[in-house]
Amino acid sequence: EVQLVESGGGLAQPGGSLRLSCAASGFTFSNYAMTWVRQTPGKGLEWVSSISASSGRTDYADSVKGRLTISRDNSKNTVYLQMDSLRVEDTAVYFCAKDSAPVPSTLCEHWGQGTQVTVSS
Amino acid sequence: EIQMTQSPSTLSASVGDRVTITCRASQSISGRLAWYQQKPGKAPKLLIYMATNLEDGVPSRFSGSGSGTQFTLTISTLQPDDFATYYCQQYDNLGTFGGGTKVEI
Repeated sequence: EVQLVESGGGLAQPGGSLRLSCAASGFTFSNYAMTWVRQTPGKGLEWVSSISASSGRTDYADSVKGRLTISRDNSKNTVYLQMDSLRVEDTAVYFCAKDSAPVPSTLCEHWGQGTQVTVSS
Repeated sequence: EIQMTQSPSTLSASVGDRVTITCRASQSISGRLAWYQQKPGKAPKLLIYMATNLEDGVPSRFSGSGSGTQFTLTISTLQPDDFATYYCQQYDNLGTFGGGTKVEI
């Protein structure tokens, strides 16, 4: 059974940083791209970033480019989202998801339960 | 950026009803259209991919159709477990989600 467990969310100040982790199990992690999606009550679901199985390709939404960085460690079956220069509008529930292929397609076959990020002074 | 427009935003229905939700893309997406179901406090769940393909384990009362820029999710006979919010997503060029359709009693 595929399991994705996010952690690292919490409260941060504007301009601050957080690092989200997503631990994966139940599938061959190194064979699949991984994706982060966030959700806010006002803006709904928003694709944030994706990384290929080999880490050779990363994609970002324009709204986070230059501030958020996706990475993965295939030896630890974990994908990360480093969040720097945080803004109030980054406040959301962040989900990690298993992609359908080694190269990012952003088709999210399986999702974690999400972790809340709140950016406020 | 490809925009996805879903309608209606809210749909009132009863058990046993046939329900149809529409999603329109701002440009052709080569059939790369997915539908997800989300219940309160839970993660979205993939129902349909490539516009018409049912994900494993999803009941056959769910079906998808469409091509080009117009797509439809149909629930043939609404069940109590189907009251939820449904989202479309294009994955032809990165990923964009529709605004969601809440199916309520």
